[in-house]
Amino acid sequence: TQLLEQSPQFLSIQEGENLTVYCNSSSVFSSLQWYRQEPGEGPVLLVTVVTGGEVKKLKRLTFQFGDARKDSSLHITAAQPGDTGLYLCAGAGLSNYKLTFGKGTLLTVNP
Amino acid sequence: GAGVSQTPSNKVTEKGKYVELRCDPISGHTALYWYRQSLGQGPEFLIYFQGTGAADDSGLPNDRFFAVRPEGSVSTLKIQRTERGDSAVYLCASSSQGQTGELFFGEGSRLTVL
Repeated sequence: TQLLEQSPQFLSIQEGENLTVYCNSSSVFSSLQWYRQEPGEGPVLLVTVVTGGEVKKLKRLTFQFGDARKDSSLHITAAQPGDTGLYLCAGAGLSNYKLTFGKGTLLTVNP
Repeated sequence: GAGVSQTPSNKVTEKGKYVELRCDPISGHTALYWYRQSLGQGPEFLIYFQGTGAADDSGLPNDRFFAVRPEGSVSTLKIQRTERGDSAVYLCASSSQGQTGELFFGEGSRLTVL
């Protein structure tokens, strides 16, 4: 079983602050995805990273895939209240079809 | 709508009863997944369909759980003899690619077993 550990589990910050969420595993993943989930809704894909060392930027969000493809991070610059939500990382195993999710990081950005 | 549709959105049942949860994927998506999400947890894989067949059902917790997709579109997750521990949000997702394409999730069916 491939386990993904996310940290921190909870994060409450003020608008304008920066933050980083981590996703770690002892397993190698063929790709890793980050999702954002709001209450009462399903997760929505933010980004997919495939190559070790890859960095992708999505406006104020920066995603990085570790060189060994075992870990990833999400950095948010100048957080806004609209960034509030549950951030989930999900790794695709060598078989490529079964996503294993972390427990998520619940982010609250206070105005 | 063009998204993944799940019904019912909420289901309250008594312990021991039978429950069916339905998922209507995005038209044309061949891959369909069921996940279960408990409070404070990330989604847990249950089963994956490619077309009509279950390509991987290794996540189903026990033989009380069963899922079908007879025509390669709509899927039904069936739970027999429900237990309180089955209470969770059951998420369905579909994808146009069988392998790590973007998953489009429905809003989920919240099951409460009393």
